[in-house]
Amino acid sequence: AQRVTQPEKLLSVFKGAPVELKCNYSYSGSPELFWYVQYSRQRLQLLLRHISRESIKGFTADLNKGETSFHLKKPFAQEEDSAMYYCALSGTSYGKLTFGQGTILTVHP
Amino acid sequence: GAGVSQSPSNKVTEKGKDVELRCDPISGHTALYWYRQSLGQGLEFLIYFQGNSAPDKSGLPSDRFSAERTGGSVSTLTIQRTQQEDSAVYLCASSLAPDLMYTQYFGPGTRLTVL
Repeated sequence: AQRVTQPEKLLSVFKGAPVELKCNYSYSGSPELFWYVQYSRQRLQLLLRHISRESIKGFTADLNKGETSFHLKKPFAQEEDSAMYYCALSGTSYGKLTFGQGTILTVHP
Repeated sequence: GAGVSQSPSNKVTEKGKDVELRCDPISGHTALYWYRQSLGQGLEFLIYFQGNSAPDKSGLPSDRFSAERTGGSVSTLTIQRTQQEDSAVYLCASSLAPDLMYTQYFGPGTRLTVL
């Protein structure tokens, strides 16, 4: 069975501080990992995916297979980063996603 | 261009009634997914359609749930004999092709409340 765990339901930081949203997964194979974001009153949207090795809006995520983690990081948080963040895993080739419970990030001015 | 659209945006129904939720994917997108977002369970996969292939129904929680996709475009999720635990936001997503390199674009969701 595959599972994604986001241990923090709520995370608060001040503007300009570093932020790390934790994500751990369990899967027997080699999954693909994603981060999705949902800003207030907006649709759920892809933030970044491991397969593309990309950095979006200053966020990066490194896959650590030894620790089965895919933590999302940003060195200097901005107020506009406040949102719900979901870590997701796909163990299939066609994008069926298993999501974590989500972390609400609040960046204070 | 237009994104994924869903209707209705909100649906309130009484326990035991049937409901139909509609999803219009982005034109040309062959892959379509349904997910459910609820307080207790977070975001859960329900069903996946790709072209004329048999759908992946592995996420449907019970046989009261069914979905179809007509003409490779519009999809309808039907919940029969609704229960209070069915209350959730039902999200539809589509992607250009069923490949991890293609982004899934989500609709705004249908908020279902079962009284």
